[in-house]
Amino acid sequence: GENVEQHPSTLSVQEGDSAVIKCTYSDSASNYFPWYKQELGKRPQLIIDIRSNVGEKKDQRIAVTLNKTAKHFSLHITETQPEDSAVYFCAASFSGGYNKLIFGAGTRLAVHP
Amino acid sequence: GAGVSQSPSNKVTEKGKDVELRCDPISGHTALYWYRQSLGQGLEFLIYFQGNSAPDKSGLPSDRFSAERTGGSVSTLTIQRTQQEDSAVYLCASSGRDRGLNYGYTFGSGTRLTVV
Repeated sequence: GENVEQHPSTLSVQEGDSAVIKCTYSDSASNYFPWYKQELGKRPQLIIDIRSNVGEKKDQRIAVTLNKTAKHFSLHITETQPEDSAVYFCAASFSGGYNKLIFGAGTRLAVHP
Repeated sequence: GAGVSQSPSNKVTEKGKDVELRCDPISGHTALYWYRQSLGQGLEFLIYFQGNSAPDKSGLPSDRFSAERTGGSVSTLTIQRTQQEDSAVYLCASSGRDRGLNYGYTFGSGTRLTVV
């Protein structure tokens, strides 16, 4: 069935360190993989996404890598700052060419000054 | 509009009552989604509308839940005979497609439903 697994569920780092969150998906036809950041009491917001025709994408301190063979993708945050503290959700598209996203369970990231 | 609008922002209802939640997507977005987020939990898919196609209702948890999308725009999620386990934040999102490629959802602020 449609499934996205996300690890770890919680992550605590010191300011300036890097943080890595990993996800695996079940549908080999998935072709779109966005990441969302949700601050406490707010809506999820798209921070970066990657399509299946590329292996890596970077935007300032945030990067995402995709391994289609392993059905695995990861979010990397470098030089973490306290304002990076939030819950991060990965997602994968399902149903072939449709845009239905199945989300991982989320990772609560805490960045300590 | 500039963003996805949801109303009401908060709803407290008595167990057994029916509720309607409204979502107004971004103009021009062909796809609309409903998700449910229980306290401290992830995003649970409920239903998905894409243009004029039949909706994907595979995530609706029971037949008490239904949704409509009128005129390809505004959507209403209806929960009949509400139960306490229905308490959650109901998030709506919309997205578009560009040259056949998906692009990311924009979420609304959600409706926090509390069943007492």
